[in-house]
Amino acid sequence: AQSVTQLGSHVSVSEGALVLLRCNYSSSVPPYLFWYVQYPNQGLQLLLKYTSAATLVKGINGFEAEFKKSETSFHLTKPSAHMSDAAEYFCAVSEGSGGYQKVTFGIGTKLQVIP
Amino acid sequence: DGGITQSPKYLFRKEGQNVTLSCEQNLNHDAMYWYRQDPGQGLRLIYYSQIVNDFQKGDIAEGYSVSREKKESFPLTVTSAQKNPTAFYLCASSTWTDRNYGYTFGSGTRLTVV
Repeated sequence: AQSVTQLGSHVSVSEGALVLLRCNYSSSVPPYLFWYVQYPNQGLQLLLKYTSAATLVKGINGFEAEFKKSETSFHLTKPSAHMSDAAEYFCAVSEGSGGYQKVTFGIGTKLQVIP
Repeated sequence: DGGITQSPKYLFRKEGQNVTLSCEQNLNHDAMYWYRQDPGQGLRLIYYSQIVNDFQKGDIAEGYSVSREKKESFPLTVTSAQKNPTAFYLCASSTWTDRNYGYTFGSGTRLTVV
């Protein structure tokens, strides 16, 4: 069975500092991995996805994530935080067979950006 | 522009009442999903549908019902049997033939019991 662990339900960074949001997964088959962002009272928006091509994935808004199979990790980073990055971030894993893609979401990490 | 529309944005339910949340998509996606979001618990799958006239229970289906009479529509009914319905409900869709795609989400409905 697949699962996702996000370390740290709340993360605070100063504006301009490095953003690092941690995600570890377990999967019995090669996974597809995703990061989503959610702003208050809104739906989730796809930030980036890993689909077994390049291990370093670039997404929107300057975010990127690196797939490390040996560490079963898919951490999300951004070199310099902006105030607009304050939101909740969800890591997700998919390992559907056939047509149905079952997706398991982590519990989320709320990012606070301090001016 | 294509997308998913959820309505209403806010909904208030009295004890013992059934309420229906609307979800419509114009992305021509085959699969649709309903998730419940509670603080600190992430997203939990309620129901999903891969094709018209077919749907499957997710992890927390008790007290909920759905229908999928049209490809574009996947309404969720929260019945009086759902003991703790106050939550943020998210509808999503995807192409089921391509795992790479990820989900497209609606903007959610916040349901409150009064």
